[in-house]
Amino acid sequence: EPEVTQTPSHQVTQMGQEVILRCVPISNHLYFYWYRQILGQKVEFLVSFYNNEISEKSEIFDDQFSVERPDGSNFTLKIRSTKLEDSAMYFCASSEARGGGEKLFFGSGTQLSVL
Amino acid sequence: GNSVTQMEGPVTLSEEAFLTINCTYTATGYPSLFWYVQYPGEGLQLLLKATKADDKGSNKGFEATYRKETTSFHLEKGSVQVSDSAVYFCALSRGNTPLVFGKGTRLSVIA
Repeated sequence: EPEVTQTPSHQVTQMGQEVILRCVPISNHLYFYWYRQILGQKVEFLVSFYNNEISEKSEIFDDQFSVERPDGSNFTLKIRSTKLEDSAMYFCASSEARGGGEKLFFGSGTQLSVL
Repeated sequence: GNSVTQMEGPVTLSEEAFLTINCTYTATGYPSLFWYVQYPGEGLQLLLKATKADDKGSNKGFEATYRKETTSFHLEKGSVQVSDSAVYFCALSRGNTPLVFGKGTRLSVIA
């Protein structure tokens, strides 16, 4: 069964450093998403991406964040200068069509720890 | 705004026990409601869904009924197994808007 792949599974970085979280969506999917979950809190929407541009973003997704689809297979989330509060589990998701929950396929997440 | 509140975990049950994980929501209009499950080391997977009031979603022995009058979508299973140990997330969506999740409830089932 096709799956969304995220790498690395764990990332440790120093405050102020740049990090790039990588995702390989399902190959025929067109819509891509990032969510995150800070420990003990809700899973929060960050951004959605379609046709090489951001289609929607939340208040969390400020200028420190950016997304890119650098080639035909990868979808990346970059945090320019990490803060302690960026420590969270980051989930990538993709879908074939735009829509709600039943169409999304999620990766297993990248646990980011900012020290 | 739209939000989901689900019961705090962790929940620890013996095999064959009855499971209920409570979920209530706040939303304008008529959202679709979902339960997602995350097994250890895996991504979130859709477990079941309901798209309108009084609908019952079901899968793998789990059920949840969309209750508009109580704005609830509680997850139930009559007899849990060790393999059901996972984190369960309640979520909602309206149309094509991004999913809104709860915090997740960790379930541990002991043999």
